[in-house]
Amino acid sequence: DVKVTQSSRYLVKRTGEKVFLECVQDMDHENMFWYRQDPGLGLRLIYFSYDVKMKEKGDIPEGYSVSREKKERFSLILESASTNQTSMYLCASRSGLRVYGYTFGSGTRLTVV
Amino acid sequence: DQQVKQNSPSLSVQEGRISILNCDYTNSMFDYFLWYKKYPAEGPTFLISISSIKDKNEDGRFTVFLNKSAKHLSLHIVPSQPGDSAVYFCAAINQGGSEKLVFGKGTKLTVNP
Repeated sequence: DVKVTQSSRYLVKRTGEKVFLECVQDMDHENMFWYRQDPGLGLRLIYFSYDVKMKEKGDIPEGYSVSREKKERFSLILESASTNQTSMYLCASRSGLRVYGYTFGSGTRLTVV
Repeated sequence: DQQVKQNSPSLSVQEGRISILNCDYTNSMFDYFLWYKKYPAEGPTFLISISSIKDKNEDGRFTVFLNKSAKHLSLHIVPSQPGDSAVYFCAAINQGGSEKLVFGKGTKLTVNP
């Protein structure tokens, strides 16, 4: 089974801090995604990556950046955390070979105080 | 512009009865549809999918129906069990276009013992 691992289940950070959320997948998937989930808003795409060093903005990229230096790792960066970035963050990966299910990590619950 | 809509934020059913979760879409280019299930503090997990060339797909207690003319799909769970209590997300993709799944906002299902 594909495994997508997010480094932290829970994080508490202060306003203005730079925050790194790490995601690693073990199945050599080309595509990786970062979502945030908020009550009543569903899953919203922040950034995605088709391959190493490639990245594309999703629907809500403001306040975020990403890094993909290795195929297995996709990092989400909050440049200066704000309270409205308190959320559940979900990483997903998918093979580029037209297999349309995503595999999600367990999520990181980030609280910005 | 919400391309995938789940108009019921919540649904409550009795154990043993049928649960019907609905999903509407607006983009006629979508040709593959998926349902994901999400428990609190966990990532979504794939449940069942259907291609637009079919109108029904069944997997155990779960059946997805697709009505292309109405741009509507539904997930039936029979019989419902307390362990089915979760948030269910409908998702869609255009296989010949974007690599991204488009998610609905989710429906929280509660199955009462």
